[in-house]
Amino acid sequence: SQQGEEDPQALSIQEGENATMNCSYKTSINNLQWYRQNSGRGLVHLILIRSNEREKHSGRLRVTLDTSKKSSSLLITASRAADTASYFCATEEGTSYDKVIFGPGTSLSVIP
Amino acid sequence: GAVVSQHPSRVICKSGTSVKIECRSLDFQATTMFWYRQFPKQSLMLMATSNEGSKATYEQGVEKDKFLINHASLTLSTLTVTSAHPEDSSFYICSARVGVGWESNQPQHFGDGTRLSIL
Repeated sequence: SQQGEEDPQALSIQEGENATMNCSYKTSINNLQWYRQNSGRGLVHLILIRSNEREKHSGRLRVTLDTSKKSSSLLITASRAADTASYFCATEEGTSYDKVIFGPGTSLSVIP
Repeated sequence: GAVVSQHPSRVICKSGTSVKIECRSLDFQATTMFWYRQFPKQSLMLMATSNEGSKATYEQGVEKDKFLINHASLTLSTLTVTSAHPEDSSFYICSARVGVGWESNQPQHFGDGTRLSIL
């Protein structure tokens, strides 16, 4: 079953613009993770934000987490053509069974 | 950083063949590894959680006898698709995590996936 839901499903922007992707989830979580996937490849971890954190930065990436709204956002600033990929949020629930559930993903296209 | 190696990257075989996919953590020990299946333009669907030294935990709807998982060591988990049929064609991805359990708050590290095509 899917926990996170990304919005939008697809996003097309010009190089240099900022890209914002949103993720909503349903249950309480321990952390929320964002991953990137290039076509036909495995996933690359971008940022993990814990349930007691509200914002986290890594280079051009900024992730926010609002546990009251059960939502998160990923902002990519000054986008580049190389940022073209699918982006997934994933949530880890607070149980002893440590599985991570992925949302449907956002397909980002950055046009040079 | 933590590296996960998945092999083979692509398999094309005839219907009825059994296919084994290996997932190795190269520079860390992984008590738990995860196997996912991904259809084109869709998200990852968790198939099972592989636990070293014990039976795998399968997600609802995943056939245990169809997808055999063995986690014989802290660095190797294998997924065997038994008697594969065209409907089993998909992209299979494994992942592993440093640390144990959700309390570790560690991300997962993914292999590059295996593209399985059954003719």
